[in-house]
Amino acid sequence: QSALTQPRSVSGSPGQSVTISCTGTSSDVGGYNYVSWYQQHPGKAPKLMIYDVSKRPSGVPDRFSGSKSGNTASLTISGLQAEDEADYYCCSYAGSYTFGVFGGGTKLTVL
Amino acid sequence: EVQLVESGGGLVQPGGSLRLSCAASGFTFSSYAMHWVRQAPGKGLEYVSAISSNGGSTYYANSVKGRFTISRDNSKNTLYLQMGSLRAEDMAVYYCARGIGGMVARYFDYWGQGTLVTVSS
Repeated sequence: QSALTQPRSVSGSPGQSVTISCTGTSSDVGGYNYVSWYQQHPGKAPKLMIYDVSKRPSGVPDRFSGSKSGNTASLTISGLQAEDEADYYCCSYAGSYTFGVFGGGTKLTVL
Repeated sequence: EVQLVESGGGLVQPGGSLRLSCAASGFTFSSYAMHWVRQAPGKGLEYVSAISSNGGSTYYANSVKGRFTISRDNSKNTLYLQMGSLRAEDMAVYYCARGIGGMVARYFDYWGQGTLVTVSS
């Protein structure tokens, strides 16, 4: 199972919006509505930000939103804040007999 | 409050063994499949292993198959990862995570803080 493809880095200024893409195949991202996104600050554990493509866990600001089109999922962060600077990883379900695969991660820099 | 606390990491020589533990609290441990995910220094997340809620089914990534064994003790609310024949490429922070959606998780809603395994002579 190949890793999902994410841009190595993205950046934006405070208040702006940024979108991080996550490209897979019809066997994972495109085949199921089970994409999740995780935020990881340096030295910290990953934190669930989005699940099932576009659902937000309790406590996650509504500035974070997820979507999917075909084999590509996206995480959009609007109204960027300094604390959003972190690494972001996507992950997709890939079927009952194939365990999920992570993206390579995207470093978000808030300028 | 859901808590996952890993322990057992440390320095081990190539070819050596180590057992990681993950103590769970704040939820009904025996109702959830559990997972190990690792992160090599400066690298991304890599799926390692999974175990079903009753321990009857397990999964291993090809990179660790035959060398690692996942297990759980539901009476102690604890997840384990027995690691053997360790290699330099196994050096990583190991996280335990609670999976949602069964053994093949749709997503991981809670993660431990991680425990560092260093493989070096």
